[in-house]
Amino acid sequence: GAVVSQHPSWVICKSGTSVKIECRSLDFQATTMFWYRQFPKQSLMLMATSNEGSKATYEQGVEKDKFLINHASLTLSTLTVTSAHPEDSSFYICSATPPTGSYEQYFGPGTRLTVT
Amino acid sequence: DAKTTQPNSMESNEEEPVHLPCNHSTISGTDYIHWYRQLPSQGPEYVIHGLTSNVNNRMASLAIAEDRKSSTLILHRATLRDAAVYYCILSLPGFQKLVFGTGTRLLVSP
Repeated sequence: GAVVSQHPSWVICKSGTSVKIECRSLDFQATTMFWYRQFPKQSLMLMATSNEGSKATYEQGVEKDKFLINHASLTLSTLTVTSAHPEDSSFYICSATPPTGSYEQYFGPGTRLTVT
Repeated sequence: DAKTTQPNSMESNEEEPVHLPCNHSTISGTDYIHWYRQLPSQGPEYVIHGLTSNVNNRMASLAIAEDRKSSTLILHRATLRDAAVYYCILSLPGFQKLVFGTGTRLLVSP
């Protein structure tokens, strides 16, 4: 099946700094990617829809100036957590769907962010 | 988004069949029923999806009630590697956005 990768798999950063997470579709082009956040023992929460070549669409309650999304190519979307705080510590997961006829979404392995 | 209701957890023994229920009484006529599962510390993976008819694939079977207000994911022979959180999700055709509920945590004992 199709593969979606994320980098890094885990990151520790200091409070007040920014951290960038990459999401790549390795063997297909994805015009749309999705970003989720998951706190321990909770379900995935959709943060935003990343559209190649245009602005991301954020879910209600998600600060677009804090979580910057850039979908610069058909295989890469990035999520930058700006001015990170300890409450931003979470598991961030991206997903993508091949463009033609597939109902299956492929998820990345996730990035564990810890803000100290 | 139409809502789904699943039991918080279920237990099974290895090599026994598992039936994971999902209620979706407000499903619309065009909503597809998707199942994903998430193993610990990993991203979710697709299991199966359907619209009206029962579906089978190499991983599982999906039984959809005639009125479509409920469905059941069937794992024919549970293995220890099937221990995961299973999510039942509704979405419109061609609409890729998935809204995850709380899911069912499946525990499999040897």
